[in-house]
Amino acid sequence: EAQVTQNPRYLITVTGKKLTVTCSQNMNHEYMSWYRQDPGLGLRQIYYSMNVEVTDKGDVPEGYKVSRKEKRNFPLILESPSPNQTSLYFCASSSTRGRASSAFFGQGTRLTVV
Amino acid sequence: GENVEQHPSTLSVQEGDSAVIKCTYSDSASNYFPWYKQELGKGPQLIIDIRSNVGEKKDQRIAVTLNKTAKHFSLHITETQPEDSAVYFCAARYLQGAQKLVFGQGTRLTINP
Repeated sequence: EAQVTQNPRYLITVTGKKLTVTCSQNMNHEYMSWYRQDPGLGLRQIYYSMNVEVTDKGDVPEGYKVSRKEKRNFPLILESPSPNQTSLYFCASSSTRGRASSAFFGQGTRLTVV
Repeated sequence: GENVEQHPSTLSVQEGDSAVIKCTYSDSASNYFPWYKQELGKGPQLIIDIRSNVGEKKDQRIAVTLNKTAKHFSLHITETQPEDSAVYFCAARYLQGAQKLVFGQGTRLTINP
């Protein structure tokens, strides 16, 4: 089954404690991205990756890092989380070949920073 | 950059009636417009999409229309059912950055039995 898998689904942490949210896709997609979803703001892109070892900032990258060492994985790293990073996070992947497909989303990670 | 405005933010309709959600975009070079449905506790899921060379597309009870001149596109759901209750997002593919999707703010649709 084609899917994007995020872990964990829920996370409560304290300010300043480094954390990583993992994302893995099994569709051999080149393009992967991270979004955060906040009420009234829709989905805003944090970082994206066009392929292995190629990453770039989205619209709201401050306070986040990513890496793309393998095609299937795209972890999101919060080096020093702050309360304003409390949000619902989604990882997505899509193909860049031919008539590029739309994005497949993971189930989401609800992060609370206290 | 691209900006997508979505209206209304909430919509309540009687079961069996039609629902319409509207979006406008700012970048005339955008060429791909998907719609996503997000059910409670789940990630957004693609329900229909339209490319800029097409004016309308239908899939059973769902249709999308695109007006490139006015830079707006709409989602139409006919014969609504309780399972249509969800949050709906429109998006536009912004050509700069290749695959970048810019999303609207979302519409919470409630179907009243």
